[in-house]
Amino acid sequence: AQSVTQLGSHVSVSEGALVLLRCNYSSSVPPYLFWYVQYPNQGLQLLLKYTTGATLVKGINGFEAEFKKSETSFHLTKPSAHMSDAAEYFCAVRPGGATNKLIFGTGTLLAVQP
Amino acid sequence: KAGVTQTPRYLIKTRGQQVTLSCSPISGHRSVSWYQQTPGQGLQFLFEYFSETQRNKGNFPGRFSGRQFSNSRSEMNVSTLELGDSALYLCASTDKKASGGADTQYFGPGTRLTVL
Repeated sequence: AQSVTQLGSHVSVSEGALVLLRCNYSSSVPPYLFWYVQYPNQGLQLLLKYTTGATLVKGINGFEAEFKKSETSFHLTKPSAHMSDAAEYFCAVRPGGATNKLIFGTGTLLAVQP
Repeated sequence: KAGVTQTPRYLIKTRGQQVTLSCSPISGHRSVSWYQQTPGQGLQFLFEYFSETQRNKGNFPGRFSGRQFSNSRSEMNVSTLELGDSALYLCASTDKKASGGADTQYFGPGTRLTVL
């Protein structure tokens, strides 16, 4: 069965510092992996997704993630944090088969300090 | 295109009542999924519909049900509400492909249900 583990429920960085949010997955088949962001009182917005091909995936708002099969990881990074990046971030995996179902990690709340 | 819309945005009910939540997907999207989000359990998959057929169901009691109409709009119903049903209920729609894969799910703003 597929699963996702996000290390660190809370991460705090200074404005301008590197953002690194960790995600490890478990999947018996080649996974589809996603990162979503959720701002307060809003739904989820897709940041980026990995399907096949290039392992470095670029997303919106300057975020990117690298798929590392050997480490079963899909960590999210951004070189320089902005105050507007403060939000909750979710990593998700899609099981194989005819489904759009997503299995989410527990989320990481990112705080950005001035 | 308009995004996924959910109504109502906020709802307060008492234990034992039932509730119906509505979701209108992005125009042209035929797949709709529902998720429950709580502080304790996080984001959990409820069910998925494609072309009016339930394709997948999560591990929730039978009090949770849903349906999809011919125009792809979807509703979910929770009967005999319990305090633990208080949550943000999110609806997501996906493009027309039936095979899953890497299609993006677009989420609505959610319905915040409070059970007193």
